[in-house]
Amino acid sequence: ELKVEQNPLFLSMQEGKNYTIYCNYSTTSDRLYWYRQDPGKSLESLFVLLSNGAVKQEGRLMASLDTKARLSTLHITAAVHDLSATYFCAVMAGGSQGNLIFGKGTKLSVKP
Amino acid sequence: GAGVSQSPSNKVTEKGKDVELRCDPISGHTALYWYRQSLGQGLEFLIYFQGNSAPDKSGLPSDRFSAERTGGSVSTLTIQRTQQEDSAVYLCASSLAVRNTIYFGEGSWLTVV
Repeated sequence: ELKVEQNPLFLSMQEGKNYTIYCNYSTTSDRLYWYRQDPGKSLESLFVLLSNGAVKQEGRLMASLDTKARLSTLHITAAVHDLSATYFCAVMAGGSQGNLIFGKGTKLSVKP
Repeated sequence: GAGVSQSPSNKVTEKGKDVELRCDPISGHTALYWYRQSLGQGLEFLIYFQGNSAPDKSGLPSDRFSAERTGGSVSTLTIQRTQQEDSAVYLCASSLAVRNTIYFGEGSWLTVV
């Protein structure tokens, strides 16, 4: 059974600092997704990572995937308050085309 | 519309009643997914459609839950004889193809009292 673990679950940062969120998964998968969720809102797609070594960047966020280590990272550069949200990674279960297994989410708070 | 559209956005129902939740995916998206999100269980997969067929319905929690999709477009999730533990946000999502970005709707907030 595929398990997805994120850490940390809670992260309080100061503006301008850098930090990394980690996403480990337990079995082989060919797809990993990162989402952002604001309170009371739905999930906003950030990145889709499809191959080993994939790296994608959007603004202050950069995601990478190491399929051999079963690890994805979401790196935050020079955090700003607007990045405060909950970030989820999700991995497609093997043999499935629709069963995304989500991590518990990382609640990020960026303080001035 | 531009995004995945769900209705109703909020529904309060009495225990034992049936509810129907509707999802209108992004035009042209062949894959459609239902998930639910609750405080205790996090985000859980329910069912996946490719066109009108459901190759993976492994996440439906009981036979009180069913879903259909017609015309390769609109989908309806039906919960019969609702229970309090069914209270959650039901999220619909769609994608152009199975390896593309999966876009989520705003969700239907269901409260069973």
